[in-house]
Amino acid sequence: EIVMTQSPATLSVSPGERATLSCRASQSVSSNLAWYQQKPGQAPRLLIYGASTRATGIPARFSGSGSGTEFTLTISSLQSEDFAVYYCQQYNNWPPALTFGGGTKVEIK
Amino acid sequence: EVQLVESGGGLVKPGGSLRLSCAASGFTFSSYSMNWVRQAPGKGLEWVSSISSSSSYIYYADSVKGRFTISRDNAKNSLYLQMNSLRAEDTAVYYCAGSYGYGWFDYWGQGTLVTVSS
Repeated sequence: EIVMTQSPATLSVSPGERATLSCRASQSVSSNLAWYQQKPGQAPRLLIYGASTRATGIPARFSGSGSGTEFTLTISSLQSEDFAVYYCQQYNNWPPALTFGGGTKVEIK
Repeated sequence: EVQLVESGGGLVKPGGSLRLSCAASGFTFSSYSMNWVRQAPGKGLEWVSSISSSSSYIYYADSVKGRFTISRDNAKNSLYLQMNSLRAEDTAVYYCAGSYGYGWFDYWGQGTLVTVSS
């Protein structure tokens, strides 16, 4: 099973600042990685797939990079609506398994 | 507007059964693979099961294999999850999610809570 590890667990950032979230895979997943945003009480929302392709309607301040085992989600200038939990998910060994990271909570500093 | 609306959650005793449903609208349901993803209270996301657009391919997480059955009815734009032999560790919000791409989840419902407790 591919294990996805996200860091840090919590990131404190001021509005307008840049946020950098990391996701590491226990083995190479090529570029088969997605990122999701989840706000309290809401369903997750797809942000990025293919490690760097923004989903429809996602603002340009969200960008993804990386390949192999190291990935980064960058939010260039945090807006109030961006404070949430972010999950990475690999789909390299799909089928039959899909795995998520444990999440990074982005909170207001 | 894309909508996925789950129903069927509730409180069930260990060893019991429950059937979840997901009603889809606003997109071509029959062209999408569909999935169930769950989230235990205060925890992260866990993939549960997937079914291809024509039901030809079905996959389960090891944690639910042999106990859960996924199915779909394209004529009714609906997805189902039959859950048997439920355990306390199955307690979670269950999300229905649609995939047009290969392996990621494009659309998500709001979820339905399943609580397994005596």
